[in-house]
Amino acid sequence: AQSVTQLDSQVPVFEEAPVELRCNYSSSVSVYLFWYVQYPNQGLQLLLKYLSGSTLVKGINGFEAEFNKSQTSFHLRKPSVHISDTAEYFCAVSEGAGNMLTFGGGTRLMVKP
Amino acid sequence: GAVVSQHPSWVICKSGTSVKIECRSLDFQATTMFWYRQFPKQSLMLMATSNEGSKATYEQGVEKDKFLINHASLTLSTLTVTSAHPEDSSFYICSARDLASVDTQYFGPGTRLTVL
Repeated sequence: AQSVTQLDSQVPVFEEAPVELRCNYSSSVSVYLFWYVQYPNQGLQLLLKYLSGSTLVKGINGFEAEFNKSQTSFHLRKPSVHISDTAEYFCAVSEGAGNMLTFGGGTRLMVKP
Repeated sequence: GAVVSQHPSWVICKSGTSVKIECRSLDFQATTMFWYRQFPKQSLMLMATSNEGSKATYEQGVEKDKFLINHASLTLSTLTVTSAHPEDSSFYICSARDLASVDTQYFGPGTRLTVL
């Protein structure tokens, strides 16, 4: 069975500072990895995904993530955050195309002025 | 592209009534849609997988007679919470898998259900 762990439930950071949101997963097979963002009272918006190929994936809003198979990690990074990046971020994994998604517990990014 | 809508966005009902939530893929076809439940400050929990033209597959612990799912077309799935009780109050989110890009799920904006 697959599982996802987001190590930080909350990450406070000042505006224009860099940020890294951590995600580790466990699975016995190859996986697809996703990061979603959720703004208050809204659904989830796909930030980026890793399916295969280059381990560095670039997404929307200046975010990127790096797949590290040996460390079973898929950490999300942004070099300079904005107030508008304040939201809940979810890491998710699926074992194969179209299979169910398993979500991590979420990380609340709080950007302070 | 890849827009998923949900209706209603917010519903308040009395205990014992039934509530229907619609999930539509607006610009793509989705043979598979998923229904999630999210409690405050928690992650999403998959309730069921809905396949067009067939019975839904429910996750362990989810009562299929209470949460009725119908996926009658390639663009519409409905979740009906029957005889709702206050403990059913939650944020319900659907997602849809594009036929043309089966590796990604696109999420609706969610429906907040409050049962009095």
